[in-house]
Amino acid sequence: DGGITQSPKYLFRKEGQNVTLSCEQNLNHDAMYWYRQDPGQGLRLIYYSQIVNDFQKGDIAEGYSVSREKKESFPLTVTSAQKNPTAFYLCASSTRGHYRDTGELFFGEGSRLTVL
Amino acid sequence: GENVEQHPSTLSVQEGDSAVIKCTYSDSASNYFPWYKQELGKRPQLIIDIRSNVGEKKDQRIAVTLNKTAKHFSLHITETQPEDSAVYFCAASIRAMRFGAGTRLTVKP
Repeated sequence: DGGITQSPKYLFRKEGQNVTLSCEQNLNHDAMYWYRQDPGQGLRLIYYSQIVNDFQKGDIAEGYSVSREKKESFPLTVTSAQKNPTAFYLCASSTRGHYRDTGELFFGEGSRLTVL
Repeated sequence: GENVEQHPSTLSVQEGDSAVIKCTYSDSASNYFPWYKQELGKRPQLIIDIRSNVGEKKDQRIAVTLNKTAKHFSLHITETQPEDSAVYFCAASIRAMRFGAGTRLTVKP
């Protein structure tokens, strides 16, 4: 069954700890994206990658890091430098990479991170 | 980067009425404009999209219009039904997609 899998679905972390959110897709999509969703603020772009071994900062990249070593995987690390990390994180992918427009995004089910 | 603004933030209509949601974008290079619907606790799903070489697109009760000169686009839902109740997001894309803040649509039976 093709799709995007995010894990874990729920995650609790203590202040000062780094945490990594997993995103895997078996759709053979070139491009992958991470968004943060807060109530009333829509989806804000954290990082994106249009091709393996390359990624760009989005609008709110501070306190986050990513890697794109494999086409199917785009993990997001929320570091202790992120001042307000409690949020819902959505990973997405699309067929259209290589610096063209994105085309339709396909989303994972999301990961809800709570900092205690 | 691209900045997308969306209005209104909440919209309540009676079943059978029409609903209109409007968005503006800042980057004239953007060329792809989708609309997503997100039901409570679920992932966003594409409901309709339009590219910059088209002015209007319709799919049953849903239509999108695009004015490239004015840099705005709108979602029109006719004959609304209670199952249309959800949060709707507009977006604009060139190399990465930016989203509006969302509109919470409530359709009262």
